[in-house]
Amino acid sequence: EVQLVESGGGLVQPGGSLRLSCAVSGFTFSSYNMNWVRQAPGKGLEWVSYISSSSSTIYYADAVKGRFTISRDNAKNSLYLQMNSLRAEDTAVYFCARDTFDFWGQGTVVTVSS
Amino acid sequence: QAGLTQPPSVSKALRQTATLTCTGNSNNVGNQGAAWLQQHQGHPPKLLWYRDKDRPSGISERFSASRSGNTASLTITGLQPEDEADYYCSAWDSSLRTVVFGGGTKLTVL
Repeated sequence: EVQLVESGGGLVQPGGSLRLSCAVSGFTFSSYNMNWVRQAPGKGLEWVSYISSSSSTIYYADAVKGRFTISRDNAKNSLYLQMNSLRAEDTAVYFCARDTFDFWGQGTVVTVSS
Repeated sequence: QAGLTQPPSVSKALRQTATLTCTGNSNNVGNQGAAWLQQHQGHPPKLLWYRDKDRPSGISERFSASRSGNTASLTITGLQPEDEADYYCSAWDSSLRTVVFGGGTKLTVL
């Protein structure tokens, strides 16, 4: 069974940092590209970042470029999102999703507030 | 980053057919088609259709998708109460080198 489990969310002050993790199982993680997608409260889906299977290709949404860093550890079957200089508008549920969006985690909540 | 355009809401009667639209441009929808996702309140999205390919296994045949130029469409036949949800389209934008999402359509089954 394919499973994606996000963790690392929480309450952080503006300007702070968080590192999200996504632990995957049930498929060969190293063969798949991965994405982070977020959803602000009551809002639609917003793509955040993409990383290829070998980490050779990485893309970011303009809204997070220069502040967020996506990475992965294929040996640990894990995807990460390092989030720095957090802003109130980064408050959202953060989902990890497999390449073609065919599998999603349940999401982890990030709240940026003083 | 410009997103894809979806109508905010669509209402249809039980057992009727709903067609949801998603308009982009030649760099995204017009290039490789759109994916369609369904999201029920409080749950993660579920993939219904991927680009110009087919529905994933386990997705009802009541869901089908098509594309005409820069506009993608999702058709849901024989509407059921459980089809009431938010529907999102997404596409890879080859010019922006980003994934773009539509704003979502809330489907109400009357």
